[in-house]
Amino acid sequence: QSALTQPRSVSGSPGQSVTISCTGTSSDVGGYNYVSWYQQHPGKAPKLMIYDVSKRPSGVPDRFSGSKSGNTASLTISGLQAEDEADYYCCSYAGSYTPYVVFGGGTKLTVL
Amino acid sequence: QVQLQESGPGLVKPSETLSLTCAVSGYSISSGYYWGWIRQPPGKGLEWIGSIYHSGSTYYNPSLKSRVTISVDTSKNQFSLKLSSVTAADTAVYYCAREGGYSNFDYWGQGTLVTVSS
Repeated sequence: QSALTQPRSVSGSPGQSVTISCTGTSSDVGGYNYVSWYQQHPGKAPKLMIYDVSKRPSGVPDRFSGSKSGNTASLTISGLQAEDEADYYCCSYAGSYTPYVVFGGGTKLTVL
Repeated sequence: QVQLQESGPGLVKPSETLSLTCAVSGYSISSGYYWGWIRQPPGKGLEWIGSIYHSGSTYYNPSLKSRVTISVDTSKNQFSLKLSSVTAADTAVYYCAREGGYSNFDYWGQGTLVTVSS
């Protein structure tokens, strides 16, 4: 049960769009539509940004969107703002006979 | 508004058992959902530890399963984590969270740092 694979860092300028990938296997990302994404600012608890691949919780700006293709999920942030600078983690339900939850290693987003 | 608050010792000796409790307010655990524990070693990523339903049904991270016990006390509206035989590698910020759907943690506690050291 390995962690999902995310790029260590991504960057973009204000107003631009960035996409963070999250690669797993057919036992996790590819097998279920239960991928979520979390934003974490330094010293703070993670915040749910996307769940069930592409759904946004109430209060999350529509600049944040999620998608999935095969074993890879993606988080896209459009119209980048300074406050979007944070760590982002993907997460997936996994397993079949013995279910579990697995997180990605995290991606540091820098707004230039 | 759902709120969660972790509590427990901030320092645990190697080979001993780490014990934490998560008090929930604004929502009755008996009403449903799974309730989980997630940890984050200093400077590293998130790791799911396990989750429990109000009925007591649990599921655990396979890599930690042999050392983890999660329990629930609906009368006190809280759930707890026990991690046995700890080592320095278990030093982390421990978070409790509500699992609103499969792997969907929608409400989180502020986290509590537990250091394993003699």
